[in-house]
Amino acid sequence: DGGITQSPKYLFRKEGQNVTLSCEQNLNHDAMYWYRQDPGQGLRLIYYSQIVNDFQKGDIAEGYSVSREKKESFPLTVTSAQKNPTAFYLCASSGQIQETQYFGPGTRLLVL
Amino acid sequence: ELKVEQNPLFLSMQEGKNYTIYCNYSTTSDRLYWYRQDPGKSLESLFVLLSNGAVKQEGRLMASLDTKARLSTLHITAAVHDLSATYFCAVGNFGNEKLTFGTGTRLTIIP
Repeated sequence: DGGITQSPKYLFRKEGQNVTLSCEQNLNHDAMYWYRQDPGQGLRLIYYSQIVNDFQKGDIAEGYSVSREKKESFPLTVTSAQKNPTAFYLCASSGQIQETQYFGPGTRLLVL
Repeated sequence: ELKVEQNPLFLSMQEGKNYTIYCNYSTTSDRLYWYRQDPGKSLESLFVLLSNGAVKQEGRLMASLDTKARLSTLHITAAVHDLSATYFCAVGNFGNEKLTFGTGTRLTIIP
């Protein structure tokens, strides 16, 4: 079945630690996105990529980094510079520019 | 900067009633989406609206777009409990991939 997978479902981060969230899609979509959702809030864009080996900052990129070495994969690293990382992280993809974005199941990140 | 406002933020309604959720946005846009989110879950795409006067319907949900008023509505007809969820609108910016999401409307349908 085609879809978007994210792992892990839950992730715990210690102080000063970098952690990486995985996002994989087999929809053959060109564009991929990372969003952060805080409790009771909407989604805010962290980074997005329209094509392999290229990505752009979203509205809240500070403390995060990404790579796009393969079309299917768009991992997000939450660095130690992100002081308030506790949130629900959602990955999405879309086929072409301005098409509907489809979302993965999400990763919940908690700080120990 | 594009801003998106939804209202109401919370809505509790009885089964069988009709109601409307509103989504206002601040600058010209070329597309608007409606999504549904169940508690602790991801977002599910409901509708995409691309032109002024566009209307889409699926079951008890109907979405419309008025680009001149910068307003979209999501109308719920004869609500049933299964429609309880948080509904988000998201508005696209001309010329790029970015979407700006509203804060969501948490809908609770009371039997």
